[in-house]
Order: sequence, then structure tokens, then C-alpha cells
Amino acid sequence: ETGVTQTPRHLVMGMTNKKSLKCEQHLGHNAMYWYKQSAKKPLELMFVYNFKEQTENNSVPSRFSPECPNSSHLFLHLHTLQPEDSALYLCASSQDFDEQFFGPGTRLTVL
Amino acid sequence: AQSVSQHNHHVILSEAASLELGCNYSYGGTVNLFWYVQYPGQHLQLLLKYFSGDPLVKGIKGFEAEFIKSKFSFNLRKPSVQWSDTAEYFCAVNSQGNLIFGKGTKLSVKP
Repeated sequence: ETGVTQTPRHLVMGMTNKKSLKCEQHLGHNAMYWYKQSAKKPLELMFVYNFKEQTENNSVPSRFSPECPNSSHLFLHLHTLQPEDSALYLCASSQDFDEQFFGPGTRLTVL
Repeated sequence: AQSVSQHNHHVILSEAASLELGCNYSYGGTVNLFWYVQYPGQHLQLLLKYFSGDPLVKGIKGFEAEFIKSKFSFNLRKPSVQWSDTAEYFCAVNSQGNLIFGKGTKLSVKP
């Protein structure tokens, strides 16, 4: 148990759907992250939140919209996704910029 | 742009063989270096990390890595692998607050 939970673990959605991914960390960390993991590609950092403020947005398309209501919760809102957005979406947290603890991920399939 | 290179995509070894996985990074400033492991069906978890001090760092499960600043390298080693080491291994560099990952190396250990 890493202390970072993600729901749902699997999600199948159509291109016109709107869905949200949820991440919760129980470690008292002040930074949270969204990553995308696709086959044969490096883990891609999508968003970084430090003390609830977004500090990084790595040119992610606007169809991905993050939300960080407090330092323990992080959401990724999805709308009008494309099939190439199918991937494993990982959430992580850290205290400042020390070791990151990862959640189990949400396996997303866009039809 | 900063980048992390892992030279081997897939390594296949027999039990008791020695392991060395290569990792090179491109950033010339102060960096923090990590190796993460992802066992089949499990979370990414930290194997070891280097921030400063002794360039030879020891991690969990008998793994170690050596930071060679002049070569921009942080290779992972284990003298004798076990079947349970079958996993995917990711090198990562934290510079200026963001964690940059390599593409990963899959290790398959034959019993």
C-alpha cells in the first residue's frame, strides 16, 4: 500500500463522454502530479500541483482539465477525448520535490 | 531539453546472473537521481535514490547504483538476480522540481 489511491482503476469511455479521475494521498505531502504512461514511451508528466497551486502544465491539451481542491485530492477531468489518449494515468505525491509515491493508476480506454 | 536515456529496452537473464542497466541523462546542473521499479500488476515504487554524498547508493532488494558525474550516468546493478526481479525498471532525474523518466527497461529473469 503506497498511500496513494486512484479511482476508478479501469475506465472505458466514448469520445463524447465526460468523466473524471480521482486521486487521494494519505501521506501528508504537499505536491501532487498527473502522469500519462503509454506503451513504448517514457512516463509523461502532465500536471504538477504544489500547495494546491498548479506549477506545471506540460503542453497538455485542454480536453484534460486538472483540479486540486486541497493538498490531499487531485482530479483529472476528461472530455471529448481521442483514441490516442488511451493509456495508464498515474497520480503521484511527494513532500516538496523528494521521492514521489505513485498510485496504481487508472487504465483508460477511449473508444 | 532535459532527457533520460535507458539503453536497453528488454534484458533477459538467467537466475544468479549479474545485472547492469544503463542510464544517462542530459542535464548538466545539480540533479537528484532515482531508480523506480514496477513489478507486474503493481505500483511504481522507489528502488533507490541519489541526492548527494557517496556516489554509490544502495537500495532495496540488493540493488545498488553508481552516480558518475563526468559520464552523466547512474547505472543500476545487482550481483545476482532472482526470478522475482522480473519487472520494468525506470531511471528518473529530478531537476528544477520535475521528474523526467527514461523509457524503462523490462527485465525478464528465467528460473
